[in-house]
Amino acid sequence: GAVVSQHPSRVICKSGTSVKIECRSLDFQATTMFWYRQFPKQSLMLMATSNEGSKATYEQGVEKDKFLINHASLTLSTLTVTSAHPEDSSFYICSASLALSYEQYFGPGTRLTVT
Amino acid sequence: TQLLEQSPQFLSIQEGENLTVYCNSSSVFSSLQWYRQEPGEGPVLLVTVVTGGEVKKLKRLTFQFGDARKDSSLHITAAQPGDTGLYLCAADTGNQFYFGTGTSLTVIP
Repeated sequence: GAVVSQHPSRVICKSGTSVKIECRSLDFQATTMFWYRQFPKQSLMLMATSNEGSKATYEQGVEKDKFLINHASLTLSTLTVTSAHPEDSSFYICSASLALSYEQYFGPGTRLTVT
Repeated sequence: TQLLEQSPQFLSIQEGENLTVYCNSSSVFSSLQWYRQEPGEGPVLLVTVVTGGEVKKLKRLTFQFGDARKDSSLHITAAQPGDTGLYLCAADTGNQFYFGTGTSLTVIP
């Protein structure tokens, strides 16, 4: 149980375009979903926490207008990187949890490359 | 300033050796998790510890939660190349979830 999927696994886009990444909890209802960014051999940096049906809470330094998060259902959250630039290239990982203080289950990640 | 500091940051050892990774903080946590992440994949949960002084074993991996619930250690016995990966501790204060700085382990055959 506790499987989380992400789509796409890899995406290459041109500078200035927008990219949407989907995160789905396949076998449980995730009240809370998290979005992380990770650079090579470094730890995960929390970008935002989203609860189903409400606005996401962004970490300090993360632009909410650039990284749009939607958590429209208990099994789906999306992260849209708007007007992407090469510095947005990174590994983006989502996780899902039954609630804020429960264990998180991670998706396999999405490798974004902006050219 | 990182809430959870892991040491060492990088570790390269020969197959068969033992190693210990530390996760330290000045804060008290209600629970602490250890994850392993392989390149290009998401972290996979290894264990959750919740009680001060708790010791859990997972085959060749031994996890310990400090008595004061501020720190934890991961000990690997007779490391194998398949143990290679990024090891992350993560902790829950009850209000927020934090990841450690990470330990990149390479086990050389």
